[in-house]
Amino acid sequence: GDSVTQTEGQVTVSESKSLIINCTYSATSIGYPNLFWYVRYPGEGLQLLLKVITAGQKGSSRGFEATYNKEATSFHLQKASVQESDSAVYYCALRPGSWQLIFGSGTQLTVMP
Amino acid sequence: ETAVFQTPNYHVTQVGNEVSFNCKQTLGHDTMYWYKQDSKKLLKIMFSYNNKQLIVNETVPRRFSPQSSDKAHLNLRIKSVEPEDSAVYLCASSWGNQDTQYFGPGTRLLVL
Repeated sequence: GDSVTQTEGQVTVSESKSLIINCTYSATSIGYPNLFWYVRYPGEGLQLLLKVITAGQKGSSRGFEATYNKEATSFHLQKASVQESDSAVYYCALRPGSWQLIFGSGTQLTVMP
Repeated sequence: ETAVFQTPNYHVTQVGNEVSFNCKQTLGHDTMYWYKQDSKKLLKIMFSYNNKQLIVNETVPRRFSPQSSDKAHLNLRIKSVEPEDSAVYLCASSWGNQDTQYFGPGTRLLVL
């Protein structure tokens, strides 16, 4: 079936350092699923960070970037210089052409001052 | 700015009771969803609903049922709660089922 894997449950990074949160996916029901990153800041609801619907394209928002890599079936989230306010839980998700979103298990990012 | 509202924030109940959670969206969307986030933080779809079609995830027990009065509201009823129903329930909405989904803050249920 379709699935999303985030291998890191928790990531700690010092402020101004670079970040990468890994996401790989398996989409057996469709060749080109839509890919998303959602974020939940402390005390807030889940919100869309960025999305990419075309393989090979890059999405960006708030300094974060993710590239839809069809060959590697990956959609890693990157940021060149993190801030303390980026501390949150990040979820990778795919929509395999149907009605539902399939989420990864989430990665808790803690940015140390 | 919150546009998907959920009540209550938190609910504690005992096994066998009936509970109902409310969700309202002010985005003018025509499709709403319920997700369950379990103790391992895994988020899984339960239902998708618009005024034409209800889609149910086949893994959802029959004691769960969505209830809608209009396209801006989708409540979730659990007829007789079980301990494994303890979770956070997230409501979401979108325009059609292919557009970006917007989430509410969630309702945390604890079943004793």
